[in-house]
Amino acid sequence: EAGVTQFPSHSVIEKGQTVTLRCDPISGHDNLYWYRRVMGKEIKFLLHFVKESKQDESGMPNNRFLAERTGGTYSTLKVQPAELEDSGVYFCASSSTGFSLQHFGDGTRLSIL
Amino acid sequence: KNEVEQSPQNLTAQEGEFITINCSYSVGISALHWLQQHPGGGIVSLFMLSSGKKKHGRLIATINIQEKHSSLHITASHPRDSAVYICAVGMASGSRLTFGEGTQLTVNP
Repeated sequence: EAGVTQFPSHSVIEKGQTVTLRCDPISGHDNLYWYRRVMGKEIKFLLHFVKESKQDESGMPNNRFLAERTGGTYSTLKVQPAELEDSGVYFCASSSTGFSLQHFGDGTRLSIL
Repeated sequence: KNEVEQSPQNLTAQEGEFITINCSYSVGISALHWLQQHPGGGIVSLFMLSSGKKKHGRLIATINIQEKHSSLHITASHPRDSAVYICAVGMASGSRLTFGEGTQLTVNP
């Protein structure tokens, strides 16, 4: 079974530019989560999809962040315009319904210059 | 103060030693997760616990719900166990996770 895949693995952009991160969950997993780790801090929750619906987006820092999950499959997280404080590692995770492990991708390391 | 606290922050051990990493949390939870992050960056889920104890190979995880405390033990530690170990809690089935800051473990040969 293929794991959670994230693309790109690294992205370096200038402040003010736009970046789109992609996550492909494990096939059949209805739950998809985005998390972020900024330098020196613990990993923090951004949002949670159940299929194509946003179940919880309370962790999204501001309206420069837009997440979508097309047809309940892959998800994208767009940052527009990027600011310096957006730098960090963005993780995606997926899980099946009910009481189950979350499976994580390798993350996207985002650097804003 | 973070809802999930881990100790120690850093731990250095000699190969073969028994290792314990602790996690305390301050909220009601449905499950506690132990995760491993290697230097390459990927995160692997090790355990999900709601009570008692689980064992996988040389790894053992325990949880005490009344005391809101969990421990991760590694027996006969090996340099390949060197990684960041992260405790995370979920408040409800399928809900988001709240993470501790992680414990950096280094096992020297």
